This record gives sequence, C-alpha cells and structure tokens, in this order.
Amino acid sequence: NAGVMQNPRHLVRRRGQEARLRCSPMKGHSHVYWYRQLPEEGLKFMVYLQKENIIDESGMPKERFSAEFPKEGPSILRIQQVVRGDSAAYFCASSLGIHADTQYFGPGTRLTVL
Amino acid sequence: DQQVKQNSPSLSVQEGRISILNCDYTNSMFDYFLWYKKYPAEGPTFLISISSIKDKNEDGRFTVFLNKSAKHLSLHIVPSQPGDSAVYFCAARGKLIFGTGTRLQVFP
Repeated sequence: NAGVMQNPRHLVRRRGQEARLRCSPMKGHSHVYWYRQLPEEGLKFMVYLQKENIIDESGMPKERFSAEFPKEGPSILRIQQVVRGDSAAYFCASSLGIHADTQYFGPGTRLTVL
Repeated sequence: DQQVKQNSPSLSVQEGRISILNCDYTNSMFDYFLWYKKYPAEGPTFLISISSIKDKNEDGRFTVFLNKSAKHLSLHIVPSQPGDSAVYFCAARGKLIFGTGTRLQVFP
C-alpha cells in the first residue's frame, strides 16, 4: 500500500539546465496536485491535473514551467532553464477524486540550483 | 493576498500541556479545512479536518474548532507530547490554500 512517491528526493542543477520532477500518486488516485515550498514559506499551489488533463494551472509561473500527467506513468513537473529562484521543495499530492477532501502528500523533491 | 493566515510562526509548550494553534481565513466561501503536520525533509501528513457545517471535530488528542463568524479555526493538542514537535499547516480546500505554518516545539 505505497503512498505518494516522488523522485528524485534531491536534485541539483546548474542555472540554465532543465529539471524534471516525477510523482506517482497513491494506487487508485487519479488526481494529482503540485505545490512548491520556498524557504521559510508555506506551500503554494501550482497545478492540478487529472489523467491527460490539466484542470487548474493558476499557480504555475507563466514561463519555463510545465506539467503533465499522462495516461501511463507518473506525473512530471518540468522546469526549463532553471534559475536560482527555482530552488525550493516541490511536493506532489494525490486524491481519489475532485470531491475527495483529503490530499495525501509525497516526501517532496528538494531542488537546488547552483 | 494571503487567504489563509497563521500569525504565530512558532509555539513552545511543555509536555503534558495543551497546544493551541490558530488559523484565520478571509474567504467565506471556503467550506472545508484541514490541518497537516510536517517533519523536516518529509511531505505534509494529514492530521484532521473539519467541514464548515460543524464547529468541532475530535480525533484522539487532536481537536479542531471552527468559528465561521470570526473566520477562525484552531487546533488543540492535549496532552502535548515531544513527538508532536513539527510544523503545522492549516489549509482550506480545493486546491489547498495553505497558511505559512506554525512551528510547535514540545519540551519535556
């Protein structure tokens, strides 16, 4: 009964490189959410996806960030041409459905941009 | 515009005493609230929730109170234990809107 899985747990990138963060939801969950936590701040919503659909991306920066949740495989959060300000902990959560009230979180990916 | 606010960034409580963590919100359309607990280098763990149709929900040592007229909720932990030391976030549903967190430290 695996929980939400994220990999890698730690990712180091140099400025200008691409970062790919993966999230496998809990078994049976078809809704995935991505959040970002900057140092000394709370978690901020980025994007909400269902299989093959982006439902709400109101928290995503307009440029360089994209997310997908394909029919098969994990959800991917992609950050192109990373900058130092992208350094943060990125958390993925999943839920059973849109009306399910509880989101279960993964352990997070800590991205460090040098 | 912080829709969910936790105005106390930290709280220290002696073991065995009550911990009270507070949270305020601005959007009266929020109808469901959750508390999450987070240890360093881990993801948030769901703790307890409350629907806006209730004013209290209890689960073991944890009780959440909701005052809709004041747009205020609080989490009570009694008795507090050292293992409760963590950062606690309140959140309002849908795409979760999180507060900034309160770091609770329970000392023996």
